Amino acid sequence: AQKITQTQPGMFVQEKEAVTLDCTYDTSDQSYGLFWYKQPSSGEMIFLIYQGSYDEQNATEGRYSLNFQKARKSANLVISASQLGDSAMYFCAMREGYTGANSKLTFGKGITLSVRP
Amino acid sequence: DAGITQSPRHKVTETGTPVTLRCHQTENHRYMYWYRQDPGHGLRLIHYSYGVKDTDKGEVSDGYSVSRSKTEDFLLTLESATSSQTSVYFCAISGLDRRMNTEAFFGQGTRLTVV
Repeated sequence: AQKITQTQPGMFVQEKEAVTLDCTYDTSDQSYGLFWYKQPSSGEMIFLIYQGSYDEQNATEGRYSLNFQKARKSANLVISASQLGDSAMYFCAMREGYTGANSKLTFGKGITLSVRP
Repeated sequence: DAGITQSPRHKVTETGTPVTLRCHQTENHRYMYWYRQDPGHGLRLIHYSYGVKDTDKGEVSDGYSVSRSKTEDFLLTLESATSSQTSVYFCAISGLDRRMNTEAFFGQGTRLTVV
């Protein structure tokens, strides 16, 4: 079974609108961490946001927020006020177990987001 | 930007030859990782290191070896390159930020083609 599932087909959003990218995960650990990365066409992996399983509040970083629903095992990325530069592939990833700085990550297959002007 | 440098950025090599990719960090982070990215698979962990001379296997370690003789350098070696190892290779480092949250940053990637 996949540990990280990203099933949305290519996503499209109008510039300045908000968009939600879905991610569900599967783990039996009580302590884990969830990450989102952006990969533009240039190929680099850009860290966006992190959510720990014990964090009571949803993580936010600028225009990015993580809608963390622990009981449903979902960690959706919300991008507010989309910009043309947000067009990219987005990956959800999970670190299982409490290992502090150690981040062996399991990745989903990614979602392509296209922002329309 | 996190200080991670991968070299080379692009390489074409022949089947059966050994290849070494280098990852250099200036963040003094303890943990370093090698991933490969292939279409339809996302990124998959090859090997990782939790300190100098301390390494362990990841999900797809067959055909690869690693070494870490200094905190800042993590080398990935393809002992005898095969066409199935044509991929984009990413190095990553991880540590704790000022808020004691985990952070994990990636290098620019190395595109390796085995012909």
